[in-house]
Amino acid sequence: GAVVSQHPSWVICKSGTSVKIECRSLDFQATTMFWYRQFPKQSLMLMATSNEGSKATYEQGVEKDKFLINHASLTLSTLTVTSAHPEDSSFYICSARDVVGLAGFSYEQYFGPGTRLTVT
Amino acid sequence: GQNIDQPTEMTATEGAIVQINCTYQTSGFNGLFWYQQHAGEAPTFLSYNVLDGLEEKGRFSSFLSRSKGYSYLLLKELQMKDSASYLCAGMDSNYQLIWGAGTKLIIKP
Repeated sequence: GAVVSQHPSWVICKSGTSVKIECRSLDFQATTMFWYRQFPKQSLMLMATSNEGSKATYEQGVEKDKFLINHASLTLSTLTVTSAHPEDSSFYICSARDVVGLAGFSYEQYFGPGTRLTVT
Repeated sequence: GQNIDQPTEMTATEGAIVQINCTYQTSGFNGLFWYQQHAGEAPTFLSYNVLDGLEEKGRFSSFLSRSKGYSYLLLKELQMKDSASYLCAGMDSNYQLIWGAGTKLIIKP
């Protein structure tokens, strides 16, 4: 149980175009989903936290107009990278939080497999 | 401020034991997580500690001392597949994870 999927797994796009990444919790309801970005050989960087039905909370330095997040249902959140540029090339990972996790403790995050974005 | 410190890189021998340390400072505390991340993949959950003491799960064990703001991940009988980055993350009072930079573990034959 507690599976999170991401689509696409990898995407190559041209500079100036927009890319949408989907994150789905397959067997549980996720009231909160997180979007991370990871550059090579660096740790995870939280970009934003999204709660179902409300606006996402962005971390300092993350442009909300560039990285659009929609959390329309308890099982789906989307991240749209608008007007992508080569510096946006990165590994984008989502996670979903189950209030009471499978192991019996609260607030465990389950990660999707990640989406590798390359902007040319 | 909030901070998680862990070594950048460690090297160990196949079959041996390695301990990866983590010190944390968070605003409030709701537990300490360890995740494993292989190159190019997303993190996978290893352990969670919220009370002091040692939690053992097969070859992996995790320890927590809340008074010292300290945790470690102990890996026994190391296998080549254990070569990965190990991420320490503290959960603050808002149930947000504060991530360490990760420890790259290199296993040598």
